[in-house]
Amino acid sequence: KQEVTQIPAALSVPEGENLVLNCSFTDSAIYNLQWFRQDPGKGLTSLLLIQSSQREQTSGRLNASLDKSSGRSTLYIAASQPGDSATYLCALQQLNAGGTSYGKLTFGQGTILTVHP
Amino acid sequence: GAVVSQHPSRVICKSGTSVKIECRSLDFQATTMFWYRQFPKQSLMLMATSNEGSKATYEQGVEKDKFLINHASLTLSTLTVTSAHPEDSSFYICSATDLGGATYEQYFGPGTRLTVT
Repeated sequence: KQEVTQIPAALSVPEGENLVLNCSFTDSAIYNLQWFRQDPGKGLTSLLLIQSSQREQTSGRLNASLDKSSGRSTLYIAASQPGDSATYLCALQQLNAGGTSYGKLTFGQGTILTVHP
Repeated sequence: GAVVSQHPSRVICKSGTSVKIECRSLDFQATTMFWYRQFPKQSLMLMATSNEGSKATYEQGVEKDKFLINHASLTLSTLTVTSAHPEDSSFYICSATDLGGATYEQYFGPGTRLTVT
């Protein structure tokens, strides 16, 4: 059974710092991996999606990497801002016998990020 | 990106009544929708997978007679909480994806806060 772990559980940094959020998984037979952001009381916003054949994706100040062999993904946030404060979740879709996915996401517990001015 | 809406965003109901929550994909056809619930300070727990035109598949421990799911069209899925009780109070979030597409990226609705008194 796939298990997804996110470290750290919480992170507090001053504005302007570059930071790294970690996600590890136990089964490397994944179809894709997504990073999400969740603000308190809100739904999830997709930040980046990495297909299993890819090693990284970038969007603005965000960069996500994927290393299937070691079962790890990282989300790098450059020049953090107070508006980045939120919970960050990684989630992955498992590869099925047909070489695709049934679409079900397995989530980590999230990292609560606080960026203070 | 694709947009998923949920209605209502917030509902308060009395114990013993039923509540219906709608999930709509606004600008794409969703072959598959997923329903999650989230307790405070916890990650998302998948309740069921809903495929258009067929019966939903429920996760272990989720009562299918209590949480009725209908996916009548490629843009609409509904979750009905029947005979609601205070322990059903939670944040319910849906997501949608097109399993006929290339990436299987999932898009989340803004969530529905259910409070049962």
